[in-house]
Amino acid sequence: QKEVEQNSGPLSVPEGAIASLNCTYSDRGSQSFFWYRQYSGKSPELIMFIYSNGDKEDGRFTAQLNKASQYVSLLIRDSQPSDSATYLCAVTGSYNTDKLIFGTGTRLQVFP
Amino acid sequence: GAVVSQHPSRVICKSGTSVKIECRSLDFQATTMFWYRQFPKQSLMLMATSNEGSKATYEQGVEKDKFLINHASLTLSTLTVTSAHPEDSSFYICSARVRVNYGYTFGSGTRLTVV
Repeated sequence: QKEVEQNSGPLSVPEGAIASLNCTYSDRGSQSFFWYRQYSGKSPELIMFIYSNGDKEDGRFTAQLNKASQYVSLLIRDSQPSDSATYLCAVTGSYNTDKLIFGTGTRLQVFP
Repeated sequence: GAVVSQHPSRVICKSGTSVKIECRSLDFQATTMFWYRQFPKQSLMLMATSNEGSKATYEQGVEKDKFLINHASLTLSTLTVTSAHPEDSSFYICSARVRVNYGYTFGSGTRLTVV
């Protein structure tokens, strides 16, 4: 079982729609959860991080965390073509809270 | 915001030569830096964790004699790929965390091509 799992996609949504990206993790003791966006050929850029169960909103982005289900998601409202990228879920481990473990990423395509 | 500057952005080298990649934290002190490698269409794989003033910690399967890491100051960490071979061609990215309860900042990455 992979430590952090994501559907590789592509996830295709029309412009203006809500894109929903999902991630599950295996380490029940994980403390910190991150969503990064990566454009082709570029390094990842941080979108959001979340530590507590529930929702965290920042502009068009909402991160949702459910530790009991070991599940974290990212919602992108009013999706734009510029949101087309690979979205990486990353989790810190319980035994080493500094080390980030990445999922394989979900490719999002927003079409006009 | 926190910035990690990584150089060079792109390098082409001959097989058997060594290449050094630098990462600098510009507006914060990074006692720990993380080095990742990313092959095409794959995710980031952690190679090693560099700690200022001490030896780096390497992930399983990463040759420490091939990927030399030096973290001599609180703002500079270097990765040297020694005796590079074509299979070392990849995208190398460094990362640091500004503080606890904050996100990790990534350098812009180095595209290494070994010919």
